[in-house]
Amino acid sequence: DIQMTQSPSSLSTSVGDRVTITCRASQSINNHLNWYQQKPGKAPKLLIYAASNLQSGVPSRFSGSGSGTDYTLTISSLQPEDFATYYCQQSYSTPATFGQGTKVEIK
Amino acid sequence: EVQLVESGGGLVQPGGSLRLSCAASGFTFSSYVIHWVRQAPGKGLEYVSAISSNGGSTYYANSVKGRFTISRDNSKNTLYLQMGSLRPEDMAVYYCARALNIAVAAYVGNDAFDIWGQGTMVTVSS
Repeated sequence: DIQMTQSPSSLSTSVGDRVTITCRASQSINNHLNWYQQKPGKAPKLLIYAASNLQSGVPSRFSGSGSGTDYTLTISSLQPEDFATYYCQQSYSTPATFGQGTKVEIK
Repeated sequence: EVQLVESGGGLVQPGGSLRLSCAASGFTFSSYVIHWVRQAPGKGLEYVSAISSNGGSTYYANSVKGRFTISRDNSKNTLYLQMGSLRPEDMAVYYCARALNIAVAAYVGNDAFDIWGQGTMVTVSS
């Protein structure tokens, strides 16, 4: 199975800040990388698919980039509703595997 | 509205069985691979199982292989997960999730998951 490693595991930040979360795969996944947002008690929500494609309805302050084994989720200006846990997921091979999550908290 | 709604969770003793259901609406259920993903309390997301759009192909994570069975009834727009020989480590919220892309009939591979149910809690305890 492909291992996915996210960093940091958590971060404290403020409204308006730029936030960057990274995800590294244990082998090249050819841009088959997806990002999800999860709020407490709720299901995950797809934000970005295929490394850089914004899912319909997701605000443009979210963006994704990367290639090979290394990928990044960027929130350009953090809004109050963005405080949540973020997961990356590889869809290059079965089984799908997820990063351990990054919790974005209010400073 | 495109949605998935899980049901069937509850409290079960170790070694027991439970069947989860996932009812789909608002889209052509028979065109999509559907997956099960679980999340133990306070933990991350773990992939469990998938079934092709025509039900002919399935996939199981090693952690549940031989104990869980995924199936679907396209005439009822419903997905199932029959869980047996349950263990304490199976305790989790179970989500069904739709693959992002329409797939050929027997495909059961990986994809992004664009529609998720609200989840159903399975508690394994004596």
